[in-house]
Amino acid sequence: DTGVSQNPRHKITKRGQNVTFRCDPISEHNRLYWYRQTLGQGPEFLTYFQNEAQLEKSRLLSDRFSAERPKGSFSTLEIQRTEQGDSAMYLCASSLETSTDTQYFGPGTRLTVL
Amino acid sequence: KQEVTQIPAALSVPEGENLVLNCSFTDSAIYNLQWFRQDPGKGLTSLLLIQSSQREQTSGRLNASLDKSSGRSTLYIAASQPGDSATYLCAVRTGGFKTIFGAGTRLFVKA
Repeated sequence: DTGVSQNPRHKITKRGQNVTFRCDPISEHNRLYWYRQTLGQGPEFLTYFQNEAQLEKSRLLSDRFSAERPKGSFSTLEIQRTEQGDSAMYLCASSLETSTDTQYFGPGTRLTVL
Repeated sequence: KQEVTQIPAALSVPEGENLVLNCSFTDSAIYNLQWFRQDPGKGLTSLLLIQSSQREQTSGRLNASLDKSSGRSTLYIAASQPGDSATYLCAVRTGGFKTIFGAGTRLFVKA
């Protein structure tokens, strides 16, 4: 197992277009998180899945954002009608439900909205 | 509302120096605190995780401490090396599943 993977690594789109990102967690991890990070800032929490259930969602996640994790495996994050303010690095992390619950991050998808 | 602050925002030190990075949080009701390293344009690498019941954790040249009552954590790096140059992020997990990050400390170790 090589860790958390994310695809694509880079995405350039025009304002108003829809984009979808994919995250493949570490195979035995049942917890999955999405974050957004802008330049010079720490990651901001977007949403959390335990298996296939979306249990927590930030108010940052507007109606244009939706995330899924069918069958509790990979997850997708879709942004509809993208805006320039959506330009950021989108990070995915996974963890195993244990007492330590260490989060392991993927390399991120960098989104640029023109 | 939980807020996490990291001081200093940037730090430049000569190779071999011992250094301390600081993290403070406003709400002591945390589940755990995690320190990460981030290289430019890359994802985050977990360094140390301290549970709310613990006072410190050590890994190699790194030592992290936690004082919940004062809302503080420190990351101590011994004998710094140029390869330690990166941004160091502190993250606090609340009682739910939300993790709040600080803005990070950008460290540059000069050879």
